[in-house]
Amino acid sequence: DAGVTQSPTHLIKTRGQQVTLRCSPISGHKSVSWYQQVLGQGPQFIFQYYEKEERGRGNFPDRFSARQFPNYSSELNVNALLLGDSALYLCASSFELSTGELFFGEGSRLTVL
Amino acid sequence: AQSVTQLDSQVPVFEEAPVELRCNYSSSVSVYLFWYVQYPNQGLQLLLKYLSGSTLVKGINGFEAEFNKSQTSFHLRKPSVHISDTAEYFCAVSDRGSNYKLTFGKGTLLTVNP
Repeated sequence: DAGVTQSPTHLIKTRGQQVTLRCSPISGHKSVSWYQQVLGQGPQFIFQYYEKEERGRGNFPDRFSARQFPNYSSELNVNALLLGDSALYLCASSFELSTGELFFGEGSRLTVL
Repeated sequence: AQSVTQLDSQVPVFEEAPVELRCNYSSSVSVYLFWYVQYPNQGLQLLLKYLSGSTLVKGINGFEAEFNKSQTSFHLRKPSVHISDTAEYFCAVSDRGSNYKLTFGKGTLLTVNP
């Protein structure tokens, strides 16, 4: 069975641009979460979606937005990119919101120049 | 609010030696605890989890961890490490109050030397 898939795997943007990252959860999983991992740090929570509704939002500016589609896939959008947005963006899925056990994708590595 | 402290940022050990990676957490409610491993240029893989029941939990690749509620700790151990265990290890906590979102520590880089 396919795991969590993310695209693109790598991308380079310049300051001020916008980026969209995509995530397909494990088949049957209804929840998708997004995390930002800056080099040398642990992942930081950005968003959590369950059954297409936002269930949680981390301490990130409004430049960050996300949505979950009827097929449970998800997109993360970041507007007006800053140098500090350079990071590995991880998508994770789970069947339900019951314990916090998450299954992670390989991530999308964003470099902002 | 939850928080996780991984006391060692780097742990170098020799192959076949035992290792312990330390993790302490703070939370005002009952928690679930996890250890994830991240190999270079990869995502996170679940090593083991504590949800309830026995405080000693066993995971993949010979790792185990013990939940100690009184000391709010969840240390990860392996009796004999291999070169292939070289990776970054993250401790994480979740609880119902946070809608089960994971809060991660800063990670411990385990380097196994021959």
